[in-house]
Amino acid sequence: QQPVQSPQAVILREGEDAVINCSSSKALYSVHWYRQKHGEAPVFLMILLKGGEQKGHEKISASFNEKKQQSSLYLTASQLSYSGTYFCGTEIGAGGTSYGKLTFGQGTILTVHP
Amino acid sequence: DTGVSQDPRHKITKRGQNVTFRCDPISEHNRLYWYRQTLGQGPEFLTYFQNEAQLEKSRLLSDRFSAERPKGSFSTLEIQRTEQGDSAMYLCASSHPGQGYGNEQFFGPGTRLTVL
Repeated sequence: QQPVQSPQAVILREGEDAVINCSSSKALYSVHWYRQKHGEAPVFLMILLKGGEQKGHEKISASFNEKKQQSSLYLTASQLSYSGTYFCGTEIGAGGTSYGKLTFGQGTILTVHP
Repeated sequence: DTGVSQDPRHKITKRGQNVTFRCDPISEHNRLYWYRQTLGQGPEFLTYFQNEAQLEKSRLLSDRFSAERPKGSFSTLEIQRTEQGDSAMYLCASSHPGQGYGNEQFFGPGTRLTVL
């Protein structure tokens, strides 16, 4: 089942902060975050694993609440280059083995103005 | 390392024709994924491979879709008897659990299919 992202869209001024949320109804093995600019391929930002491990770019932070099956992506001191559509991709573990099969949310459009 | 490449980048075809897309993953990436993305939506999983083995195929895919990954290198996605509803961006991604952060997927630029 597709995870639900909120908000659907965010408009910011440079330097402002934003939080994007991703919620699943199923128990998750991991949550992946990607950013996609118009006409381009999605680009990896962050992986959050069951058990609390986080791996990703230094300027991006995120959290994963395993009890609630929710993840949040924190964008601080936004820059013009942050504009794009952010997708969370969720993975349901199969017997503890990860194959990387992702189900993506519908996306959150982030627009940063000067 | 040149990243994931896909060919062609654009394909326009008439309803009922067959089309085939190719994906070349990052060298040594043993996992390869196919997704379909329509305007305003996130990528939708189609199928994936570990080496040459196709591990899962989405139930959303009809029998008109088939994918192969001979020798565990490049992969092809074929759509037979195309329908207008097949119009979408077809994305390929690859990963290697033992490299980088683990399971992060590197996406190719996609093949945009338009069925007239």
